[in-house]
Amino acid sequence: QKEVEQNSGPLSVPEGAIASLNCTYSDRGSQSFFWYRQYSGKSPELIMFIYSNGDKEDGRFTAQLNKASQYVSLLIRDSQPSDSATYLCAVGGGTSYGKLTFGQGTILTVHP
Amino acid sequence: GAGVSQSPRYKVAKRGQDVALRCDPISGHVSLFWYQQALGQGPEFLTYFQNEAQLDKSGLPSDRFFAERPEGSVSTLKIQRTQQEDSAVYLCASSLQGGEAFFGQGTRLTVV
Repeated sequence: QKEVEQNSGPLSVPEGAIASLNCTYSDRGSQSFFWYRQYSGKSPELIMFIYSNGDKEDGRFTAQLNKASQYVSLLIRDSQPSDSATYLCAVGGGTSYGKLTFGQGTILTVHP
Repeated sequence: GAGVSQSPRYKVAKRGQDVALRCDPISGHVSLFWYQQALGQGPEFLTYFQNEAQLDKSGLPSDRFFAERPEGSVSTLKIQRTQQEDSAVYLCASSLQGGEAFFGQGTRLTVV
């Protein structure tokens, strides 16, 4: 079992729809959770982080964390073609202190 | 500096050649990470520094890989006797301790 797993893609949604990206992790002691966006040929760009159970909203993005279920998700409302990218879930803390462990990424395509 | 800076951006090496990749983190960031990213995959952890101390090198794939950060700022990842399987993008990231990690643009290494 991989330490961080993301829902298999690619994910395709129409413009204006909600895109839902999911991630599970195996280290129950993990303490920090991040979502990165990576455009083709570019480096990962941090878009959201969450440390506590519940929801965290930032503009069109909402991160949700459920530590009991070891599950973190990212919702993108009113999806735009410019949101088309690979989304990476990263988990830190726990037994690996500062190290971030990434999932394999989910490719999102928003079509007009 | 304003962001994490990596050099060179691109490196072509002949098989068996040694290479050195440089990372200049965000000023004041204690933590520094090296990741390897193959095409279509998420970043794979290589090693982690806190200041000048290398706290975790469990991801280095072989003893041909060596990283250092002698003064707790700039870091160098060295790969000796490069092999074709070393071809990848090498990403450096830095963070305040335990906080969000910010990535550089990466170095694309191609071994021919």
